[in-house]
Amino acid sequence: SQTIHQWPATLVQPVGSPLSLECTVEGTSNPNLYWYRQAAGRGLQLLFYSVGIGQISSEVPQNLSASRPQDRQFILSSKKLLLSDSGFYLCAWRFTNTGGAYEQYFGPGTRLTVT
Amino acid sequence: AQSVAQPEDQVNVAEGNPLTVKCTYSVSGNPYLFWYVQYPNRGLQFLLKYITGDNLVKGSYGFEAEFNKSQTSFHLKKPSALVSDSALYFCAVRDRNTDKLIFGTGTRLQVFP
Repeated sequence: SQTIHQWPATLVQPVGSPLSLECTVEGTSNPNLYWYRQAAGRGLQLLFYSVGIGQISSEVPQNLSASRPQDRQFILSSKKLLLSDSGFYLCAWRFTNTGGAYEQYFGPGTRLTVT
Repeated sequence: AQSVAQPEDQVNVAEGNPLTVKCTYSVSGNPYLFWYVQYPNRGLQFLLKYITGDNLVKGSYGFEAEFNKSQTSFHLKKPSALVSDSALYFCAVRDRNTDKLIFGTGTRLQVFP
């Protein structure tokens, strides 16, 4: 079976500091990977997605970036955090060869507070 | 553009009563529809999906959803609600053009003892 991990679970960072959130998937190969942000416990905003190593698509302009250095590793980064970067960050994966299985599976999330 | 709408911000139901969480969609072609549940400070959990076939789809934790093409709806249902069902529920549709999931704004379900 497949599992997805995110760390850290919670993070408090000052404005202007760097950020690195990590997501790893086990039990599958070449998954599609996604980073979402959820503000105020409601709607999901897709930030980045990746269909393979080194292949990153950005959904919205922002001071965040993403990288996929290995097949099952997805990293969300920032050089300088803003107050508006606070939120709940969710990583998700999906099978590439879906056979109709387009559902995404989410990690436990990282709660980021920028102070 | 592909979209889903969840018209209710919150649904309140007494334990033991049936529950319905509403979702309507707008897509071109046949829709791929999904329901997710989110407990506080947790990730989203996949409940069920409709791809094709029977209009009544059964999922995890006793939930089911009814696909209605004429009403472009995909309502989530459960015959008897539990207090532990209290959570945030998201409907989603696959955007065929971009191969992404488009999520609704979420409905908070509160089940009272």
